[in-house]
Amino acid sequence: GAVVSQHPSRVICKSGTSVKIECRSLDFQATTMFWYRQFPKKSLMLMATSNEGSKATYEQGVEKDKFLINHASLTLSTLTVTSAHPEDSSFYICSATTGSGYEQFFGPGTRLTVL
Amino acid sequence: GESVGLHLPTLSVQEGDNSIINCAYSNSASDYFIWYKQESGKGPQFIIDIRSNMDKRQGQRVTVLLNKTVKHLSLQIAATQPGDSAVYFCAEIPTIYNQGGKLIFGQGTELSVKP
Repeated sequence: GAVVSQHPSRVICKSGTSVKIECRSLDFQATTMFWYRQFPKKSLMLMATSNEGSKATYEQGVEKDKFLINHASLTLSTLTVTSAHPEDSSFYICSATTGSGYEQFFGPGTRLTVL
Repeated sequence: GESVGLHLPTLSVQEGDNSIINCAYSNSASDYFIWYKQESGKGPQFIIDIRSNMDKRQGQRVTVLLNKTVKHLSLQIAATQPGDSAVYFCAEIPTIYNQGGKLIFGQGTELSVKP
């Protein structure tokens, strides 16, 4: 149980285009989802916290207009990287919680490469 | 603590030996700690957790020790196997975030197991 999927697993796009990454909780309802980015050989950095039906809360230094987050249902959150640039290339990981307990269940990550 | 700007420390052990991975956390008000294992190109996997009212917790081949006096967490892996090779992260949840709260990740340690 508690499986989280992400789609796509890898994406390559041209500079200036927008990319959407989906995060789904497959067998539970996720009251809260989190989005992280991770550079090579570095730790996970929280970008934003998203609750179903409300606006995401962004961490300091994360541009909300650049990284659009939508949490339209209890099983789906999307992260859209708008007007992507090479410096946005990273590993993006989502996680989800059920709302009872501390545990976060992580997705497999999405590798974004911007040319 | 957080890893911004730091390189990933590495630990190399012989197969069959015990491994000890250390983590210094930053927030004395954190009341929940988790160890994650992350294999290359994948999302973090939960290994073991511990609450602040405990100083030791054991799982299958793994033990987590918590020293709140010096804000130190360690993960011990018994009889390390090649499949244990991965990056290991500690994470903390400060009390103020309550259930389903956001995680603060440590910098991580890369464990390499030599056959």
